[in-house]
Amino acid sequence: EPEVTQTPSHQVTQMGQEVILRCVPISNHLYFYWYRQILGQKVEFLVSFYNNEISEKSEIFDDQFSVERPDGSNFTLKIRSTKLEDSAMYFCASSGELSYEQYFGPGTRLTVT
Amino acid sequence: QQPVQSPQAVILREGEDAVINCSSSKALYSVHWYRQKHGEAPVFLMILLKGGEQKGHEKISASFNEKKQQSSLYLTASQLSYSGTYFCGTEHTGKLIFGQGTTLQVKP
Repeated sequence: EPEVTQTPSHQVTQMGQEVILRCVPISNHLYFYWYRQILGQKVEFLVSFYNNEISEKSEIFDDQFSVERPDGSNFTLKIRSTKLEDSAMYFCASSGELSYEQYFGPGTRLTVT
Repeated sequence: QQPVQSPQAVILREGEDAVINCSSSKALYSVHWYRQKHGEAPVFLMILLKGGEQKGHEKISASFNEKKQQSSLYLTASQLSYSGTYFCGTEHTGKLIFGQGTTLQVKP
């Protein structure tokens, strides 16, 4: 069964450093998403991406964040200058159509020290 | 604005039933239900669309009351594997906003 994959599974970085989280969505999906989940809290929407453009973003997704689909398979989330409060699990998801089920990847645990 | 779920936590014995509620102060276009086990990614359970259409992959039922802006997830004859945190999400134009979650624990 096709699945969303994410790398790395765990990233440790120092405050102020840039990180790039990588995702490979399901191959025939057109809609891509990033979410984050701070330990013990709910899953929070960051951004949705369709047709090489951001379609929706939340208040969390400020100028420190960016997304890119550099080739036909990868979807990346970049955090330019990490803060302690960016420590969380970051999930990538994809869906075949709008308002259809979103398939989540296993997540990348980001730890900012 | 995030949807509100109730109850916050439920403890059941195997075979018992549970209902998890989700309500929103804004008009609902679709409601998504996901289950997340500890340390894992959320897994899709069901979507309820405006107009009554439902799409799901498991033997779990749900209702969607557009007028009351509410949805309920019905778990019948619970199994140990049902344990986890259940999130409802309200979706519009791809932006999926999750509630705070309901933790379900099924005991033998």
